[in-house]
Amino acid sequence: AQTIHQWPVAEIKAVGSPLSLGCTIKGKSSPNLYWYWQATGGTLQQLFYSITVGQVESVVQLNLSASRPKDDQFILSTEKLLLSHSGFYLCAWRDWGDDTQYFGPGTRLLVL
Amino acid sequence: QQQVRQSSQSLTVWEGETAILNCSYENSAFDYFPWYQQFPGEGPALLIAIRSVSDKKEDGRFTIFFNKREKNLSLHIKDSQPGDSATYFCAASGPSHDSGYNKLTFGKGTVLLVSP
Repeated sequence: AQTIHQWPVAEIKAVGSPLSLGCTIKGKSSPNLYWYWQATGGTLQQLFYSITVGQVESVVQLNLSASRPKDDQFILSTEKLLLSHSGFYLCAWRDWGDDTQYFGPGTRLLVL
Repeated sequence: QQQVRQSSQSLTVWEGETAILNCSYENSAFDYFPWYQQFPGEGPALLIAIRSVSDKKEDGRFTIFFNKREKNLSLHIKDSQPGDSATYFCAASGPSHDSGYNKLTFGKGTVLLVSP
């Protein structure tokens, strides 16, 4: 069975500080991977997607970047956090040929 | 322009009643419609999904009714339980193809409260 793990579970960071969030998928080879952002009480907004190692496409510009260093790993980062980066970050995966996206447990980020 | 619209921000029903959550969409190219259930502090979990070639999909207490001509769909939760209290998101994607992008557009969500 596939498992999706996100780290850290939660972060409190200062404005202007760097950030790195991670996502790992186990039990699935070459998945499509996605990053989403969700404001508190809000909808989900797709940020990035990746279909293979080393290849990442941006969907929305939010002063964030993403990388896929390994087949099962997806990283979201920024060098300088803004207050508007606060929220819930979700990683999702999809199998080729399947429209369904499956979400991880999320990382809660508070920027002060 | 909101591509996927959920008509109610919140809905309260009594335990045992049928909860009906409505959703409409703008893009005729959408052909896949999943509903996700999200509890506070957790990631969304797929509840049930339908393709535009069908007008109904049932899974236990959950049923999707789909109207392609009217571009709307609804999620019916039969015999609602307090444990069903959560936020429900209607989403849409399409046309289906394997480019990897598979943009999933979400509605704003409906918060369902089931009172015992």
